[in-house]
Amino acid sequence: DTEVTQTPKHLVMGMTNKKSLKCEQHMGHRAMYWYKQKAKKPPELMFVYSYEKLSINESVPSRFSPECPNSSLLNLHLHALQPEDSALYLCASSHHYEQYFGPGTRLTVT
Amino acid sequence: QKEVEQNSGPLSVPEGAIASLNCTYSDRVSQSFFWYRQYSGKSPELIMSIYSNGDKEDGRFTAQLNKASQYVSLLIRDSQPSDSATYLCAVFADGLTFGKGTHLIIQP
Repeated sequence: DTEVTQTPKHLVMGMTNKKSLKCEQHMGHRAMYWYKQKAKKPPELMFVYSYEKLSINESVPSRFSPECPNSSLLNLHLHALQPEDSALYLCASSHHYEQYFGPGTRLTVT
Repeated sequence: QKEVEQNSGPLSVPEGAIASLNCTYSDRVSQSFFWYRQYSGKSPELIMSIYSNGDKEDGRFTAQLNKASQYVSLLIRDSQPSDSATYLCAVFADGLTFGKGTHLIIQP
C-alpha cells in the first residue's frame, strides 16, 4: 500500500484566516515532505521532515509553519497568506529515496 | 543550484508507437533518478526509479541512465491514449528537484 492521504481536498481562505493542511501515511516511512505546485509548473520543495525533525526548510516564508506531531502525520499551518500562495499543496512520504505523493490540497487565497 | 532539464513539448506520438522522453541534470554527484506521471489536476505518480547506469524495464516502461552524460530517459512502448499526461523527471537531493515536465499526447 503506497497511500498518502491529505485533507481537505479544496480550501478557500481569506488573507486574514488561519487554516491547516493535514497529511497522513501508514507505510512506516520516516521522511515526509511538503511541496507547492503552481499551474503548469513542477512541484517545488518546501519542507522535509526526517524522523519527525525538520531537516530542510527551503527558505519558505514564515506564514507557512510545518508541524510533525508523530511519524504518520504532517501538518502545514497557514496564516496571513497572499493571493500568490494559491496553489496545489502536495504531501509526500518516502522510504529511502522513492517518494509517494498524496492527492494534494488545492488552496485558493482570496 | 541543481537543475533538471526537459523538453516541455508537447510530444505527439501515434497510438502503438514508442514514446521517448529525455532529461538532463546538472549535479554530477546525483545518484537517484525518477520518472513521475501527472495527469491534469492530479498529483504526481511514481512510475520508474533508476539508480545505476544502464536500462531498467517495468512492463511497457524502460528507464535509461547514463551518468557520464548526465542523461536520463524514459521509453514507453505500445503507447496508449491513457499514457497522455505530463511526465516529470526528478533527481533526489534531500527532496526531489523536478524538471518542468514533458507533455505527452498519444494520438488514437
